[in-house]
Amino acid sequence: DVKVTQSSRYLVKRTGEKVFLECVQDMDHENMFWYRQDPGLGLRLIYFSYDVKMKEKGDIPEGYSVSREKKERFSLILESASTNQTSMYLCASRPGSSSYGYTFGSGTRLTVV
Amino acid sequence: QKEVEQDPGPLSVPEGAIVSLNCTYSNSAFQYFMWYRQYSRKGPELLMYTYSSGNKEDGRFTAQVDKSSKYISLFIRDSQPSDSATYLCAMSGKDSSYKLIFGSGTRLLVRP
Repeated sequence: DVKVTQSSRYLVKRTGEKVFLECVQDMDHENMFWYRQDPGLGLRLIYFSYDVKMKEKGDIPEGYSVSREKKERFSLILESASTNQTSMYLCASRPGSSSYGYTFGSGTRLTVV
Repeated sequence: QKEVEQDPGPLSVPEGAIVSLNCTYSNSAFQYFMWYRQYSRKGPELLMYTYSSGNKEDGRFTAQVDKSSKYISLFIRDSQPSDSATYLCAMSGKDSSYKLIFGSGTRLLVRP
């Protein structure tokens, strides 16, 4: 089975901190995605990547950046955390150019205080 | 208008009931349709995958797609308390990205 592993289940950070969320997948998938999930708003795409060093903005990229230096790892960076970035963050991966569904990680619940 | 609409619920049913979960969509280019199940404080897991119109059955679960009406359904037979979760529909078109568009999810509670 494909595994998508997110490094932390729960994080508490202070306003203004730089925050790194890490995601690793073990099945050589080309595509990786970062979403945030909020009650009433569903899943919103932040950034995605089709290949190493490639990235594209999703629907809500403001305040975030990403890094994909290796195929298996996709990092989400909050440059200066704010309280409105308190959310559940979900990483997902999928084989390239395919119609398959995504495989999600277990999520990171981030609280910014 | 959102591309994919899904009633947020919650939907509360007694154990053993047949559950019907639905999504409507507006983009006629969608061809791949999925249902995800998400337990509390977990990531979504792929439950059903269908291509184009028709039905697909897997155990107690049946996914149905009606492209003419732009309407998809997930039926759960003999529902169990362990089915209590949020169910998200997702779909994509046959373009180069195959990026999934998600519904906002329906919360289901199956009462013992």
